[in-house]
Amino acid sequence: KAGVTQTPRYLIKTRGQQVTLSCSPISGHRSVSWYQQTPGQGLQFLFEYFSETQRNKGNFPGRFSGRQFSNSRSEMNVSTLELGDSALYLCASSPATLLRETQYFGPGTRLLVL
Amino acid sequence: TQLLEQSPQFLSIQEGENLTVYCNSSSVFSSLQWYRQEPGEGPVLLVTVVTGGEVKKLKRLTFQFGDARKDSSLHITAAQPGDTGLYLCAGAGSGGSNYKLTFGKGTLLTVNP
Repeated sequence: KAGVTQTPRYLIKTRGQQVTLSCSPISGHRSVSWYQQTPGQGLQFLFEYFSETQRNKGNFPGRFSGRQFSNSRSEMNVSTLELGDSALYLCASSPATLLRETQYFGPGTRLLVL
Repeated sequence: TQLLEQSPQFLSIQEGENLTVYCNSSSVFSSLQWYRQEPGEGPVLLVTVVTGGEVKKLKRLTFQFGDARKDSSLHITAAQPGDTGLYLCAGAGSGGSNYKLTFGKGTLLTVNP
């Protein structure tokens, strides 16, 4: 099976712009979670989608949003970018049939905001 | 807010040495996971511990979950350069869901040949 794929892998934007990141989960996985990773804060949970519905949400401002499509692919959007949004954005997928299933992470999208 | 503190933050050792990495919290977790992340990659799960006092071994890696399920440790015996990477612990909170994990900031391990 192919792993979790994320596109693009690298992105440079300027303050005030918006950005959309894409995540394709492992085939058959229905849950997709998004995380932000920075050197100062580490990995922080953004949100989780299951069957096109946001099921869990972290403590991020409303500028961060996401959605999931019927084929389980997910996108996250960040509007009005700030310098502090520069980070590695990781998505993880899981079959979501049990609470404690393994999450499989993609390689991430590295976003640089200038 | 559940927080996980990892120590040390950085560790540089010589091949063949032993090391222990710690993950501590004031909160109780229903399960705790350890990941390793290499540059340019996402984290890869090493182990999940669920029961207080549980010990799991993965070749030269030994993982322990504290009796009170608030802390964990990772011990590596005879470290090798291939063990180099960022080691992350992550806890699942109430309800036990792994879909909303709380991560520590990680321990960056460098094993020199």
